[in-house]
Amino acid sequence: DAGITQSPRYKITETGRQVTLMCHQTWSHSYMFWYRQDLGHGLRLIYYSAAADITDKGEVPDGYVVSRSKTENFPLTLESATRSQTSVYFCASAGPAYEQYFGPGTRLTVT
Amino acid sequence: AQKITQTQPGMFVQEKEAVTLDCTYDTSDPSYGLFWYKQPSSGEMIFLIYQGSYDQQNATEGRYSLNFQKARKSANLVISASQLGDSAMYFCAMREGNFGNEKLTFGTGTRLTIIP
Repeated sequence: DAGITQSPRYKITETGRQVTLMCHQTWSHSYMFWYRQDLGHGLRLIYYSAAADITDKGEVPDGYVVSRSKTENFPLTLESATRSQTSVYFCASAGPAYEQYFGPGTRLTVT
Repeated sequence: AQKITQTQPGMFVQEKEAVTLDCTYDTSDPSYGLFWYKQPSSGEMIFLIYQGSYDQQNATEGRYSLNFQKARKSANLVISASQLGDSAMYFCAMREGNFGNEKLTFGTGTRLTIIP
C-alpha cells in the first residue's frame, strides 16, 4: 500500500528497556520526521532526516536515537525507556509543497 | 516566545455554520509557510491546507480557506458550512526559511465540536 506506515501501533514496555519504533514510506520523500504528541504540548519534533544517512536533532531529542540507512525507513529507538517517554509517536514525511504526511501513530506506554 | 499560538482551546459550533479557528505566528524570516492539520478522535493527522508567505491570494481547499493577514501575523482557518465530521482537534503549524528547512512548529491545537 502506498503511504506511510508505523509499527507497532501500540506498545507497552518497562522502564529501562530498549524500544524501536518503525516507520516506512513508499513515496521516496527525502525528508522524514519523528514527533511526539503529549497533552498540552501539541506535537514536538524529536529528530528529522533530510536524506539517507543525514539526520539531525529536533526540539526534544534526549533519550532517542535515529538512523536512516534507506530512504524509505526511519526507525526511532528509545535506548533506555523512561516513564516520561510515554506518549503517542508520529512519523511523517514531507511532500513536494513542504506539506507533511503523517503515519497513523504509535501509542507507547512505559511502566 | 511561542512561534505558533492558538488561543482557543475549545469551540462549539452549530452544524452548517461557518467556523473560524485562530492562529497567530511569530517569525522574523521573510520566507515561511503555514499549515493546518486536522486530528479526528481516531488519532491520525490529516493535512488540510497550506499558505506560503509570498502567496498573494488566500489558500482555499474545498470548504477550507486560510485567512492570511501577513501584517497581523495571523493565519486563521475558516471552515464553511460545518459538518458533524468536522469535529476534531485542529493544529496550526509553521515552516520557516527557504527550501531545505522542512521542520514544522505546531501550536497546541483547538478542539472543535460541531453540535447537531
